Amino acid sequence: EPEVTQTPSHQVTQMGQEVILRCVPISNHLYFYWYRQILGQKVEFLVSFYNNEISEKSEIFDDQFSVERPDGSNFTLKIRSTKLEDSAMYFCASRATSGGEQYFGPGTRLTVT
Amino acid sequence: ELKVEQNPLFLSMQEGKNYTIYCNYSTTSDRLYWYRQDPGKSLESLFVLLSNGAVKQEGRLMASLDTKARLSTLHITAAVHDLSATYFCAVDIIGSQGNLIFGKGTKLSVKP
Repeated sequence: EPEVTQTPSHQVTQMGQEVILRCVPISNHLYFYWYRQILGQKVEFLVSFYNNEISEKSEIFDDQFSVERPDGSNFTLKIRSTKLEDSAMYFCASRATSGGEQYFGPGTRLTVT
Repeated sequence: ELKVEQNPLFLSMQEGKNYTIYCNYSTTSDRLYWYRQDPGKSLESLFVLLSNGAVKQEGRLMASLDTKARLSTLHITAAVHDLSATYFCAVDIIGSQGNLIFGKGTKLSVKP
């Protein structure tokens, strides 16, 4: 069964460093998303991406964040200068149609020290 | 701003018992999703409810949607230990590109 994959599974970085989180969505899906979940809290929407551009973004997704789909298969989330409060689990998700089921990847745990 | 509220947030129940988790949301939406999350794991899709009156069942779990009341329920029948997990409901806003707004989750613990 097709699935969303994410790498790395765990990333440790120092405050102020740049990180890139990678995702490979399901191959025939058209809508892509990033969410984050701070430990023990709810899942929060960051950004949606469709037709090679950002569709919507939340207040969390400030100028430190960017997304890219560089090669038609990978979907990346870049955090330019990480802060301690960026420590969270980051989930990538994809769906085939805007109203369909959204499939989540296994997540990347980001730890900022 | 769309708000999604779940209750209870914590639920401890014995095996064999029934219980219902409630999910209220604050603005018009006709698409509601239930996910399960085990500790340290990703989100597993349980149900997609796409219309008023929708009811779906899978094993001991049954989900329903009342869009007029802006309420969804997840009913657990004859709970077993394997159902222990955190359950999230999520709603997407009509007209959006499908980004989901999640509730805080209900942490379910089923004791033998």
